[in-house]
Amino acid sequence: DVKVTQSSRYLVKRTGEKVFLECVQDMDHENMFWYRQDPGLGLRLIYFSYDVKMKEKGDIPEGYSVSREKKERFSLILESASTNQTSMYLCASSGPPGLAGGPREQYFGPGTRLTVT
Amino acid sequence: KQEVTQIPAALSVPEGENLVLNCSFTDSAIYNLQWFRQDPGKGLTSLLLIQSSQREQTSGRLNASLDKSSGRSTLYIAASQPGDSATYLCAVKTDSWGKFQFGAGTQVVVTP
Repeated sequence: DVKVTQSSRYLVKRTGEKVFLECVQDMDHENMFWYRQDPGLGLRLIYFSYDVKMKEKGDIPEGYSVSREKKERFSLILESASTNQTSMYLCASSGPPGLAGGPREQYFGPGTRLTVT
Repeated sequence: KQEVTQIPAALSVPEGENLVLNCSFTDSAIYNLQWFRQDPGKGLTSLLLIQSSQREQTSGRLNASLDKSSGRSTLYIAASQPGDSATYLCAVKTDSWGKFQFGAGTQVVVTP
């Protein structure tokens, strides 16, 4: 079974702090993703990575950065946390494209609920 | 830009009834479509994935159909049970590598 783990289930940080959210997958997947999920807005893609040391901006990258030094690990960094970054953060991974782009399911971690006070 | 819509946002049915969940998308050029289940405060669990060339996919009591030309997918859950209570999300794969666009989800409550 694919396993995607996230470093914390719950996290409380103060405004202005630097925050690291870690994600690790054990299936040798090339692709990794960071989403945030907010009520009424659904999942929104923050950043994604198709390979080690490679990163691409998603739909809402402002205020975030990422790091992928090893294939299995994808970190999300909040350089200076703000209250509007209070949210549920979800990490996902998927394998490389097969024929005609599929099937390559996304597998999700359990999520980190971050509160910034 | 691809937009994914799920209507209704919430649904309540008595145990034993069949569930019908809808997902629509604006751009038919998708690679595949995936249905997920999310329990409160948890991550997403994959239920079914339909490739763009397929019309439907089945797993146990779950059946998902895909009509690319009309931009619609439907998830059917037969003989609902209280354990089916959760939020169900659909997502369409928008590029060849793995980027997905998600709907906001349908929250389902199955009453005993």
